[in-house]
Amino acid sequence: KNQVEQSPQSLIILEGKNCTLQCNYTVSPFSNLRWYKQDTGRGPVSLTIMTFSENTKSNGRYTATLDADTKQSSLHITASQLSDSASYICVVSRTLGNNDMRFGAGTRLTVKP
Amino acid sequence: ETGVTQTPRHLVMGMTNKKSLKCEQHLGHNAMYWYKQSAKKPLELMFVYSLEERVENNSVPSRFSPECPNSSHLFLHLHTLQPEDSALYLCASSQGRGPNYGYTFGSGTRLTVV
Repeated sequence: KNQVEQSPQSLIILEGKNCTLQCNYTVSPFSNLRWYKQDTGRGPVSLTIMTFSENTKSNGRYTATLDADTKQSSLHITASQLSDSASYICVVSRTLGNNDMRFGAGTRLTVKP
Repeated sequence: ETGVTQTPRHLVMGMTNKKSLKCEQHLGHNAMYWYKQSAKKPLELMFVYSLEERVENNSVPSRFSPECPNSSHLFLHLHTLQPEDSALYLCASSQGRGPNYGYTFGSGTRLTVV
């Protein structure tokens, strides 16, 4: 079982609507959690990074939340645009080891006009 | 342009061919990585280079052979691949190693083995 589980696997919404993507993890000891956006045919690009003490962080229309107690994170997208169509990947890093990053399988978001 | 450039973008090769993937970064980063991305699966770490020295090899078959001639360039040499090796191969770099260093990814090479 993967240590980073994302849901849903895929999601279709209409332009202008909001949506929330979920990430549950069992990675320990926890260092930080990143959300990446990956457009089709491109590499992942970082959206946010959150440490243990941060509950929420925003990047434009993207807002990430973190509950370190329940080991859950969410990415909320407000007023979606067609350009938001992409895969969103949750990545959790451990405090031990160099580059011990655990990747989720991603959520594929499609925004339709 | 993300600062990490991968070539070619697409590659189709037969199982008996030999080809190489190239990755180049001009960010002054000290660590470089190869990842394999298959459909609906998490990224799989293949190799890690730090200051041109291979520091990690995650049980990758010997038909994949990495090379890091300097801190800006990374290659992945391919030979006698299998159809299940078809995937998106991503190169990434980071300023250092550790959880505080984020990755910059290239756009990947879409590899199809026929």
